[in-house]
Amino acid sequence: EIVMTQSPATLSVSPGERVTLSCRASQDISSHLAWYQQKPGQAPRLLIYGASTRATGISARFSGSGSGTEFTLTISSLQSEDFAVYYCHQYNYWPRGTFGQGTKVEI
Amino acid sequence: QVPLVQSGAVVKKPGASVKVSCKASGFIFTSYGISWVRQAPGQGLEWIGWISAYNGNTEYAQKLQGRVTMTTDTSTTTAYMEMRSLTSDDTAIYYCARAGDALDMWGQGTMVTVSS
Repeated sequence: EIVMTQSPATLSVSPGERVTLSCRASQDISSHLAWYQQKPGQAPRLLIYGASTRATGISARFSGSGSGTEFTLTISSLQSEDFAVYYCHQYNYWPRGTFGQGTKVEI
Repeated sequence: QVPLVQSGAVVKKPGASVKVSCKASGFIFTSYGISWVRQAPGQGLEWIGWISAYNGNTEYAQKLQGRVTMTTDTSTTTAYMEMRSLTSDDTAIYYCARAGDALDMWGQGTMVTVSS
């Protein structure tokens, strides 16, 4: 099983800051990586797929990069509505997949 | 129109079975697969399995093989996830998600509580 490791577990930031979240795969997954945002009491929402393609309706302040085993999600200028938990998800052997443990972005 | 609407919360006793439904609308059901993901209280996301709405092919997480069955009814555009021999470790929110560009649409979740 491919293990996904996210860092840090928690990130304390202020509105307006630039934020970078990391995700590492235990083996090469090419660009088969997605990022999701989850707010309390809500289902996850797809932000990025294919490591760098924004999903429909997602703000341009969210960007993804990386390939192979190292990936990042960047939020260019954090807004109040961006405080949430972010998960990476590898689907190198689609439709099978595994998730990272999440990074909580808090004030 | 909400694309994926799931059945309501349930409470089950250990050893029982549960069947969760996921009604799809607003897209061509048979052009996609449906994945199921669960989230234990305060925990992260766990992929449970996937079913093709086109031909019924399935893939299940190895740890749940033999306890989970996924089906679809194309006449009602509904996907189902049944889990048997429930234990307290199965207490979680169960989500269905459209398997398109990654998991691009999600249901609202169904809370399954296993308690004696």
